Amino acid sequence: GAVVSQHPSWVICKSGTSVKIECRSLDFQATTMFWYRQFPKQSLMLMATSNEGSKATYEQGVEKDKFLINHASLTLSTLTVTSAHPEDSSFYICSAGANTGELFFGEGSRLTVL
Amino acid sequence: QKEVEQDPGPLSVPEGAIVSLNCTYSNSAFQYFMWYRQYSRKGPELLMYTYSSGNKEDGRFTAQVDKSSKYISLFIRDSQPSDSATYLCAMSEDFGNEKLTFGTGTRLTIIP
Repeated sequence: GAVVSQHPSWVICKSGTSVKIECRSLDFQATTMFWYRQFPKQSLMLMATSNEGSKATYEQGVEKDKFLINHASLTLSTLTVTSAHPEDSSFYICSAGANTGELFFGEGSRLTVL
Repeated sequence: QKEVEQDPGPLSVPEGAIVSLNCTYSNSAFQYFMWYRQYSRKGPELLMYTYSSGNKEDGRFTAQVDKSSKYISLFIRDSQPSDSATYLCAMSEDFGNEKLTFGTGTRLTIIP
């Protein structure tokens, strides 16, 4: 099946710094990518929908200035957690839509903010 | 009330047993129903998807959807230790680049 790569898979940062997570579709072009957040033993919560070449659509309660999303090409979307704080520590997962209609998920990126 | 309800478990069964995982939902507009398997510290992988009501079988896995009851199930036959994972149901109103609404996931352990 299609492959979606996330990088980094694991990152630790100090409070107040910014962290960028990349999501790449390796063998297909994705006009739409989704960013999720998952706390331990909880479900995936959709944060935003990223469309290539346009502004992301954020879910209610997600701060767009805090979680910056850029979808510069059909194979790359980035999520930047700005001025990260310990409460931002979580597992961030992206998914990308192939033209078959199926969504493929990345391996996830675990963020720990000290 | 959550849009999708799923018993978080944990659920432990002996190897070879039949496993039944379930979700209920409230949004009658959901048309596509998916089951994902997620291993620890990994992203979800799609197991099966079903459109509208009915059954779908793929190897040891069977997905059932009952839209009248707003209830979906995933059955795993001849369960194996490698099936140990968290299983998430997900739903959408359309298929294809649509945002999914997930259940909380059920943590399943198959005991050798």
